[in-house]
Amino acid sequence: SQQGEEDPQALSIQEGENATMNCSYKTSINNLQWYRQNSGRGLVHLILIRSNEREKHSGRLRVTLDTSKKSSSLLITASRAADTASYFCAHPNNAGNMLTFGGGTRLMVKP
Amino acid sequence: DGGITQSPKYLFRKEGQNVTLSCEQNLNHDAMYWYRQDPGQGLRLIYYSQIVNDFQKGDIAEGYSVSREKKESFPLTVTSAQKNPTAFYLCASSTGGNTQPQHFGDGTRLSIL
Repeated sequence: SQQGEEDPQALSIQEGENATMNCSYKTSINNLQWYRQNSGRGLVHLILIRSNEREKHSGRLRVTLDTSKKSSSLLITASRAADTASYFCAHPNNAGNMLTFGGGTRLMVKP
Repeated sequence: DGGITQSPKYLFRKEGQNVTLSCEQNLNHDAMYWYRQDPGQGLRLIYYSQIVNDFQKGDIAEGYSVSREKKESFPLTVTSAQKNPTAFYLCASSTGGNTQPQHFGDGTRLSIL
């Protein structure tokens, strides 16, 4: 298990502010994925970034990947109360045959 | 609408009892996965299956068993050998490989009576 790869573990911001979450990993990877989980629900896939991409956008989401530092960040711009959730990064394991999930960042957006 | 259905939403287990969690998908996905999530934690892989009639152990398979007799179904049995089964169990599916997104069900919360 590779828990605790994300920071911060918890983040509280006001509506309208930007939220940045970071993910670090130890292996060489060909992609990194971000997921969102609302309380008591399953995970929802947000975005996948490949190792040959440095940045990717989807709506208010911006993901970066720095393979030299083995890190990724997820930026949510102009946050809304509905963005309150836990956010997880996931990447292939050493053998490349399954995904390893980080411990997540719990984001609270206050109205 | 295609998706993954997990049932039941809540499940209680007595000491020494085996319980089975259901996971069904109509996404025509080859690969299916079972994860365990403890409070405030990330996901840990229990078992996965890349094709019908085949499955592999994940990081925490002890005390669990699975079967994959049909493409659509991947039930998980929590056996009496699993001494700390209280957790949130999530099932997922994908088209396969580690470059494809996984689609998740809404989980089963298992507690001990």
